[in-house]
Amino acid sequence: SQTIHQWPATLVQPVGSPLSLECTVEGTSNPNLYWYRQAAGRGLQLLFYSVGIGQISSEVPQNLSASRPQDRQFILSSKKLLLSDSGFYLCAWGGFGYGYTFGSGTRLTVV
Amino acid sequence: QKEVEQDPGPLSVPEGAIVSLNCTYSNSAFQYFMWYRQYSRKGPELLMYTYSSGNKEDGRFTAQVDKSSKYISLFIRDSQPSDSATYLCAMSLGGNQFYFGTGTSLTVIP
Repeated sequence: SQTIHQWPATLVQPVGSPLSLECTVEGTSNPNLYWYRQAAGRGLQLLFYSVGIGQISSEVPQNLSASRPQDRQFILSSKKLLLSDSGFYLCAWGGFGYGYTFGSGTRLTVV
Repeated sequence: QKEVEQDPGPLSVPEGAIVSLNCTYSNSAFQYFMWYRQYSRKGPELLMYTYSSGNKEDGRFTAQVDKSSKYISLFIRDSQPSDSATYLCAMSLGGNQFYFGTGTSLTVIP
């Protein structure tokens, strides 16, 4: 069966520090991968999606970037965090025909 | 106007009640409709996935889509305290991007 791993679960980072969140998927090949951010009262915002190694589409211009160095690995990064980057970050795989499977999320607080 | 509108609640019901959760949308091209359940501090999990108009039942859950009214619903029968969660609707044009509602918070009181 397919599983998705996301870590860390919680993170507190100072403003201006770098960020690296990692997501890996098991049990499937060449998955479509997504990074979402969830803010209270604002729903899920698609940040990036990837259909293959090295292929990244950005939905929202911002302080974040994503990379897909391996087929089942998706990384969300920032060089310098802003207060506004705080939120609940979710990695997902899937897509048309079968919906998304989400990871357990990372709660990021920028202080 | 948001693509998908969902009443945030909170909704509080006694155990055993029938719960109705709803979303409206503006884009008549949406074809695929989903409901996710999200427990506190967890990622959403897919409950129901439906195509076009009509009903789909899975155990105590029924998803209903009315494309003419651009309105979807999720009904939970015999609600349990374990159903307490935030419920998110989502929809798709047929590609890989889904549009989510903001979620409705549900509490089922024992």
